Amino acid sequence: AQTVTQSQPEMSVQEAETVTLSCTYDTSESDYYLFWYKQPPSRQMILVIRQEAYKQQNATENRFSVNFQKAAKSFSLKISDSQLGDAAMYFCAYRTVGGATNKLIFGTGTLLAVQP
Amino acid sequence: NAGVMQNPRHLVRRRGQEARLRCSPMKGHSHVYWYRQLPEEGLKFMVYLQKENIIDESGMPKERFSAEFPKEGPSILRIQQVVRGDSAAYFCASSTGLLVVGNEQFFGPGTRLTVL
Repeated sequence: AQTVTQSQPEMSVQEAETVTLSCTYDTSESDYYLFWYKQPPSRQMILVIRQEAYKQQNATENRFSVNFQKAAKSFSLKISDSQLGDAAMYFCAYRTVGGATNKLIFGTGTLLAVQP
Repeated sequence: NAGVMQNPRHLVRRRGQEARLRCSPMKGHSHVYWYRQLPEEGLKFMVYLQKENIIDESGMPKERFSAEFPKEGPSILRIQQVVRGDSAAYFCASSTGLLVVGNEQFFGPGTRLTVL
């Protein structure tokens, strides 16, 4: 079974600085998707960024980018120029490609604080 | 376009009562997923449904929990004889169901269930 691990329960960053959130996963599959979701205090789950495992190029969305290391099964999120609105819980998630289910498997989350 | 809608947003039940949580997927989406988030934890998959069919219920507790997604109307997650351990945030997500890139799951705002 696939598992997702986030080893940093909490992180803190100064406004305008850069922070990296870690995520590792375990799978025997060769093709899959990886995601980072943001959950602000409102609890709404917001998709931040997505990576397809068959793509070597790291995904980027504005200030958010990932470092995808397939052999190491690592998928970290880098937030550049951190803003106060980035403060939230961040969840890493895994999804199989193909098969009968689309279910997402989530890590336990990293709570990010942004200091002014 | 309206997003995924869940109601109620907050639900309080006494032990032994029934809880019914409703989810209306985004327009054009025929696949619904239910996830549960216990306090201080990540989201855990419960069940995946298409119209009138349960595709994957591997995350559903064996007793007291059931889900449906009828041909007409919202998806319903039903919890019978609630216990304090059922207190959690329940999230619904929807997708088009196509197993292709871009088939994102869009999340609703969640229903926070409190069992007294």
